Amino acid sequence: DADVTQTPRNRITKTGKRIMLECSQTKGHDRMYWYRQDPGLGLRLIYYSFDVKDINKGEISDGYSVSRQAQAKFSLSLESAIPNQTALYFCATRTGDKETQYFGPGTRLLVL
Amino acid sequence: QKEVEQNSGPLSVPEGAIASLNCTYSDRVSQSFFWYRQYSGKSPELIMSIYSNGDKEDGRFTAQLNKASQYVSLLIRDSQPSDSATYLCAADTGRRALTFGSGTRLQVQP
Repeated sequence: DADVTQTPRNRITKTGKRIMLECSQTKGHDRMYWYRQDPGLGLRLIYYSFDVKDINKGEISDGYSVSRQAQAKFSLSLESAIPNQTALYFCATRTGDKETQYFGPGTRLLVL
Repeated sequence: QKEVEQNSGPLSVPEGAIASLNCTYSDRVSQSFFWYRQYSGKSPELIMSIYSNGDKEDGRFTAQLNKASQYVSLLIRDSQPSDSATYLCAADTGRRALTFGSGTRLQVQP
């Protein structure tokens, strides 16, 4: 079984809809992250959480919100989806500084 | 200026050659550096990490770090077509999360 899972893997939605992307991990890591990836722009940080009570905005948090339901679960919501949120979304986990970040398989989102 | 910069490529090398991928970073606080490989549509996977100045070798891969010049590189020896992918450089400033470059696309020609 994969250590970091994301659901759904693919999603098509319409402008204005609220959607949630979910991330679960069995690695026991405290730190969890949400990134989006667009062609030519690399990975950009949306939100990150160091534990259940510690949630922080990344460089592109506008239009997104998150929830850390438990150590193992970190969800990303698009309150009112817009077409420029079409992207590949990755969840990642990490134990601490200087440690590797491990990525989930990604969610491909298309907003029409 | 981006915190981590990479040439987008594509870098094209013949099979069996050495591929050299480069990365510069702007934040002198950066302490740890990572190279990830990403196949199209897939998630990034770690190739190597490096924390100290100098070279670090792992199989066909060698990472090089020069903190004075704020420069990190990845050498791939005996390049194979299966090495064709996008290579992401990432820096860790210890503040929040890894900061990624936009990636260099490598093409290994059979």
